[in-house]
Amino acid sequence: AAGVIQSPRHLIKEKRETATLKCYPIPRHDTVYWYQQGPGQDPQFLISFYEKMQSDKGSIPDRFSAQQFSDYHSELNMSSLELGDSALYFCASSLGRAGGVDTEAFFGQGTRLTVV
Amino acid sequence: KQEVTQIPAALSVPEGENLVLNCSFTDSAIYNLQWFRQDPGKGLTSLLLIQSSQREQTSGRLNASLDKSSGRSTLYIAASQPGDSATYLCALTLMIKAAGNKLTFGGGTRVLVKP
Repeated sequence: AAGVIQSPRHLIKEKRETATLKCYPIPRHDTVYWYQQGPGQDPQFLISFYEKMQSDKGSIPDRFSAQQFSDYHSELNMSSLELGDSALYFCASSLGRAGGVDTEAFFGQGTRLTVV
Repeated sequence: KQEVTQIPAALSVPEGENLVLNCSFTDSAIYNLQWFRQDPGKGLTSLLLIQSSQREQTSGRLNASLDKSSGRSTLYIAASQPGDSATYLCALTLMIKAAGNKLTFGGGTRVLVKP
């Protein structure tokens, strides 16, 4: 079965550079979530999209932006990178509640971002 | 603000013992609760999803219960195996928006099953 695909799997950037992370949800899933997980920490919610519109927003820095495209894939853009941005970035997808039933969220394998 | 707590933070058991992992939450107006498994440096694998109207879900050796009134969920893993060694996280979705509600994670329980 198709899963959530994230690219790239690993990324090394220098401080003040820009990074773009991509997420391809499970086919027919219309909801995408982004999470950041630092070493030894639980995942922290950044932002979510439902049907290409921003749905919920968490502790996402102003330097970060994201969007969901017409094909439902999503991109997380990170600018002016700082050392503290080094983390695992996860994308998850689910089928929204338009049908009245919220489905499981499935996570991708993550992108490991290292800022040097 | 919803707070999700998992105790203990770490657990070590000999192979064959049953595992009992606890998750507690402060806001009972949840929509659903998911249990995940995470291996070091890897993604999160969904194990079980319990809707707010359900009391438990079972999958193979795994059984998860939900008691909204007491703000608790428990994940039972029967007859543990060394391959069960991982971090287990619970995550809740609150009934706030029509869709795209975030999952709020607990801190996880790191499990080691010794051969």
